[in-house]
Amino acid sequence: SAVISQKPSRDICQRGTSLTIQCQVDSQVTMMFWYRQQPGQSLTLIATANQGSEATYESGFVIDKFPISRPNLTFSTLTVSNMSPEDSSIYLCSVEGQGWTEAFFGQGTRLTVV
Amino acid sequence: GQQLNQSPQSMFIQEGEDVSMNCTSSSIFNTWLWYKQDPGEGPVLLIALYKAGELTSNGRLTAQFGITRKDSFLNISASIPSDVGIYFCAGGGGSNYKLTFGKGTLLTVNP
Repeated sequence: SAVISQKPSRDICQRGTSLTIQCQVDSQVTMMFWYRQQPGQSLTLIATANQGSEATYESGFVIDKFPISRPNLTFSTLTVSNMSPEDSSIYLCSVEGQGWTEAFFGQGTRLTVV
Repeated sequence: GQQLNQSPQSMFIQEGEDVSMNCTSSSIFNTWLWYKQDPGEGPVLLIALYKAGELTSNGRLTAQFGITRKDSFLNISASIPSDVGIYFCAGGGGSNYKLTFGKGTLLTVNP
């Protein structure tokens, strides 16, 4: 399985500011995924990021709020823009595994907005 | 959209006991995955199932892909304190490569 590193691991941010989360993978992958996990909840897919194209966002998530970059096959960033306390969550980077039927996750970024 | 019903929501057991949890769906999945999430960490893949009826083991863990492709269960035998965490099922394998996650089962093991 791929080794996925996320930065930062946690942050406390002021409302109205933006935070960019980085995801680095130790091997080239076609698709990278960004998930949100609200406190005590399951994982919700925010968007799918492929290199060389715009990210594909799920219903309820928009590019202005969660801009994503995918400059190469081993790296992606997710920005949480104009944050409010409702954005306090764990944000997880994921990559596809064997036959694109599995997914592996980074350790997550725990974001608290005050 | 697709939804997974995972049960139970939480379990409190004594060390040494066996545990069973399951997921059901109204939709068919080509893949069933089981993950464990420890506090402050991302989910870790425990078992992946690829064929209807498949029964797969990973140490004390056993999981099965339901014959209808709409359900899966995970069993943990002889639980130990480090089994504590949240267990998630996920269905996938569709053309869009996305996963649908259950709401999780919080497992507490009393030593």
